[in-house]
Amino acid sequence: AQKVTQAQTEISVVEKEDVTLDCVYETRDTTYYLFWYKQPPSGELVFLIRRNSFDEQNEISGRYSWNFQKSTSSFNFTITASQVVDSAVYFCALSEPTSGTYKYIFGTGTRLKVLA
Amino acid sequence: DGGITQSPKYLFRKEGQNVTLSCEQNLNHDAMYWYRQDPGQGLRLIYYSQIVNDFQKGDIAEGYSVSREKKESFPLTVTSAQKNPTAFYLCASSRQGYYGYTFGSGTRLTVV
Repeated sequence: AQKVTQAQTEISVVEKEDVTLDCVYETRDTTYYLFWYKQPPSGELVFLIRRNSFDEQNEISGRYSWNFQKSTSSFNFTITASQVVDSAVYFCALSEPTSGTYKYIFGTGTRLKVLA
Repeated sequence: DGGITQSPKYLFRKEGQNVTLSCEQNLNHDAMYWYRQDPGQGLRLIYYSQIVNDFQKGDIAEGYSVSREKKESFPLTVTSAQKNPTAFYLCASSRQGYYGYTFGSGTRLTVV
């Protein structure tokens, strides 16, 4: 069965520290999509990245980077030089085309607190 | 600007009442979704619709109902059969394919 695990419930760092949020997924499909979303205190989830299972290249976007490793079924998210504005809940999600829908399975989220 | 509008932002329900949460999108997306968020449990799918006049139950549909009469609108009714409705409700939409969801800003429902 498909599953997304975010084992880190809450992480606190001091501003300018680097921080990595872990995401481990389970799926029987060879084709699938992985996502990261940010939920700031306002509540609305903001799309950060999508990765398909055939693209294992790591991606960097400014201070954000993502490490996709199929061998360990992980899709980890690193924030470099964290800022207070990065404080939010971050969700990892999985979607499988064979389900016939575009439903996501979400992890339970990691709350990141960046202290000034 | 295109987006999803959820209303109201805060809603209070008395025991035994039905309440309806509104979700409207102007993104021309085919698919729409309702998720419930509880502390420490992530997001759980209530209902989804991939086309007008059709919708499917998600993982926790009991005590909820939806309709999809227009492409732009996907209201969620929380019925009196839902025993623990206090939660944060998020509506989302997507176009066909795996391009990611666009979320609304949510409705926080509290039973009083």
